[in-house]
Amino acid sequence: EVQLLESGGDLAQPGGSLRLSCTASGFTFDSYGMTWVRQAPGKGLEWVSAIGGNGDSTWYADSVQGRFSISRDNSKSTLYLQMNSLRDDDTAVYFCAKSAVREIVIYSFDSWGQGTLVTVSS
Amino acid sequence: EIVLTQSPGTLSLSPGERATLSCRASRSVSTTYLAWYQQRPGQSPRLLIYGTSARATGIPDRFSGSGSGTDFTLTISRLEPEDFAVYYCQQYGTTPITFGQGTRLGLK
Repeated sequence: EVQLLESGGDLAQPGGSLRLSCTASGFTFDSYGMTWVRQAPGKGLEWVSAIGGNGDSTWYADSVQGRFSISRDNSKSTLYLQMNSLRDDDTAVYFCAKSAVREIVIYSFDSWGQGTLVTVSS
Repeated sequence: EIVLTQSPGTLSLSPGERATLSCRASRSVSTTYLAWYQQRPGQSPRLLIYGTSARATGIPDRFSGSGSGTDFTLTISRLEPEDFAVYYCQQYGTTPITFGQGTRLGLK
């Protein structure tokens, strides 16, 4: 059974930093692209960033480009999101999600974590 | 960026009825790259349909998807109590990946 467990969400000040983690199990982690999707309180889903299985290819939404950095440690089956220069509108639940197809990163997502809440406020 | 517009914003129906949810794209999306998700309150999204019409693993056959070009539809043939949730369409043919704003399916 695929399991994705996010952690690292917290209260941060505007301009501050946080690092989110997503620990995966139940599948061959390095064979699948992984993605972060966020959901502001009471709002819809917003794609944030994606990374290929070997970590060489990354993509970012314009809203986070230059502030967020996605990475992965395949030896630990863990996905990361380094969030810098946080803004109020980064407040959201952050989900990690697994690509539904091996070796293709930009795709639908067949497994999601339960999410971790990031609150940016002074 | 491809903008996805879902309609209606809210749909109020009763168990046993048929639900038809619409997703319109700002430009053409290949049928290969259109998905639908269900999100129940307090839960993560769940993949229902990918490639416009293929059901994901474990999804009952009362859920079906159709469409092409800029117009796509999710149909739930006979609503069960557990189907009342928010539904999102997603395109993954180009980056940025985008989602519709959601349709809330509520109990009449």
